[in-house]
Amino acid sequence: KQEVTQIPAALSVPEGENLVLNCSFTDSAIYNLQWFRQDPGKGLTSLLLIQSSQREQTSGRLNASLDKSSGRSTLYIAASQPGDSATYLCAVRPSYGQNFVFGPGTRLSVLP
Amino acid sequence: EAQVTQNPRYLITVTGKKLTVTCSQNMNHEYMSWYRQDPGLGLRQIYYSMNVEVTDKGDVPEGYKVSRKEKRNFPLILESPSPNQTSLYFCASSQAGAEKLFFGSGTQLSVL
Repeated sequence: KQEVTQIPAALSVPEGENLVLNCSFTDSAIYNLQWFRQDPGKGLTSLLLIQSSQREQTSGRLNASLDKSSGRSTLYIAASQPGDSATYLCAVRPSYGQNFVFGPGTRLSVLP
Repeated sequence: EAQVTQNPRYLITVTGKKLTVTCSQNMNHEYMSWYRQDPGLGLRQIYYSMNVEVTDKGDVPEGYKVSRKEKRNFPLILESPSPNQTSLYFCASSQAGAEKLFFGSGTQLSVL
């Protein structure tokens, strides 16, 4: 059964720092991986989607990489801002089913 | 505006009183799904639907029902709610089930 973990559970950084969030999954048979942002009391917003055949995706200050063979993905945030404060979740869609599996999330605080 | 709309936003009810949480999307997406989010357990899939009249169980379907009579709507039904169904519920949709997931704003349900 696919399991997704995220490290660290929480992270606090000063504004302007570059940072990396980690996502690990146990089964490399995935169709794609998505990174989401969740603000308190709100729904999830998809940030980046990486198909299994891709190595990375970029959007603005965000870059996500995927190493399927090692079961890892990283989300790199450049020049962090207080507005980046949120919980970041990764989710994988296994290639054998329709059931997206979510990690527990990393709670990020960017201090002004 | 492309969106997934859930109603109600907050709901307090009593054990055993049937309720329905509505979900509607305006993006002509084939895939729709329901999740619950609990502290320490993360997001877990309840049910999903690949298209009209096609539904299937996720990880935690017990105590829930769904229907997909129209492409845009995917209501979640709790026939006899119990306190362990107190949770934050999210509806999501995507094109063909393999692409970017769009989430609703969530429904906070309390069952007393």
